[in-house]
Amino acid sequence: QKEVEQNSGPLSVPEGAIASLNCTYSDRGSQSFFWYRQYSGKSPELIMSIYSNGDKEDGRFTAQLNKASQYVSLLIRDSQPSDSATYLCAVNSRDSSYKLIFGSGTRLLVRP
Amino acid sequence: EAGVAQSPRYKIIEKRQSVAFWCNPISGHATLYWYQQILGQGPKLLIQFQNNGVVDDSQLPKDRFSAERLKGVDSTLKIQPAKLEDSAVYLCASSLWATNTGELFFGEGSRLTVL
Repeated sequence: QKEVEQNSGPLSVPEGAIASLNCTYSDRGSQSFFWYRQYSGKSPELIMSIYSNGDKEDGRFTAQLNKASQYVSLLIRDSQPSDSATYLCAVNSRDSSYKLIFGSGTRLLVRP
Repeated sequence: EAGVAQSPRYKIIEKRQSVAFWCNPISGHATLYWYQQILGQGPKLLIQFQNNGVVDDSQLPKDRFSAERLKGVDSTLKIQPAKLEDSAVYLCASSLWATNTGELFFGEGSRLTVL
């Protein structure tokens, strides 16, 4: 079973700080990497995608990918209390019919 | 644009009973997914349809779970008989195609409690 691993947290940061969320994956054939945000009692929503090594920035969010280390991360700058949620890392590959495999998520708490 | 519709939102049953969940994806989305999310865990794919064909059902417990997507539109997931460990949120999602974009649109989910 191909796996995606995340620290369950909670990761607690003060408002305005940078939150750093990490994810490792076992399938070297993984091609596409995603971060979903899930508020308590709600369904997941896509916030970032990254396909090649390096950084990808979108507003306060930066996704980082290192395929050699099988590692993907999400940085949230100027964290806000509204960012408090569970962040799910997900990966897929063409070889697995683009089946999206999720990690168990990291719970982020942003303290006002 | 209407989102992914699911029903019922909540269901409580006793073990060994049966239950069915319904999902209507976003109009025009060819790919439909059923995920099971147990409290504190990430979503686990149960079955993936491309139009009305099954792409992946490797993690579907076929002795008790079944799913169909007639006419390539809406879908039903059935559990019979239910076990205590089936208590979870059943998430339906859809995407335009099964590609590497990974953008799935999720419904609100159906929360199942098995007593």
